[in-house]
Amino acid sequence: DGGITQSPKYLFRKEGQNVTLSCEQNLNHDAMYWYRQDPGQGLRLIYYSQIVNDFQKGDIAEGYSVSREKKESFPLTVTSAQKNPTAFYLCASRRSGSGTDTPYFGPGTRLTVL
Amino acid sequence: KQEVTQIPAALSVPEGENLVLNCSFTDSAIYNLQWFRQDPGKGLTSLLLIQSSQREQTSGRLNASLDKSSGRSTLYIAASQPGDSATYLCAAGDSGSARQLTFGSGTQLTVLP
Repeated sequence: DGGITQSPKYLFRKEGQNVTLSCEQNLNHDAMYWYRQDPGQGLRLIYYSQIVNDFQKGDIAEGYSVSREKKESFPLTVTSAQKNPTAFYLCASRRSGSGTDTPYFGPGTRLTVL
Repeated sequence: KQEVTQIPAALSVPEGENLVLNCSFTDSAIYNLQWFRQDPGKGLTSLLLIQSSQREQTSGRLNASLDKSSGRSTLYIAASQPGDSATYLCAAGDSGSARQLTFGSGTQLTVLP
């Protein structure tokens, strides 16, 4: 079955630590996205990538970093510079150029800073 | 900068009722308008996508309409069921190559049996 997976489902971080969230897709999609969701709010775009080895900042990129070395993978690192990282993180992928333009979302990772 | 608003933030209805969820956006130069469903602690599932040239889309008991000139979209749910209980988010897609989505904060729907 094709899909998009995120791991871990729950992640706990001590202040000052960097953590990396995994996102993998086997849909052969070119574009991948990272969103942050806070309680009672919509999704906000952190980073996106339309092609391997290229990525762009979204609206709230400060304190985050990404890489796109493989088409299937788009890991997100939450650095110690992110002052309020506790949130629900969602990864999505989309087939670039698709007329339907429907993104597929992973199940999410809930990050809690202790 | 696009802003998307959803009203109400929460809605509770008895089973079997027809209901309408509202979404408004500030910039009418959108590529598409999408509706998603999110169950608690889960990712998003796409429900309906309306291209900017379209006025509505239907899937089963769901019907979404789009009025670009007024900056509004509605999601109509017919004969609601307890299984429809979830948060419904709308998102406006821009015309750029990345097709970035700007999300509303969602309407949390509870259908009472």
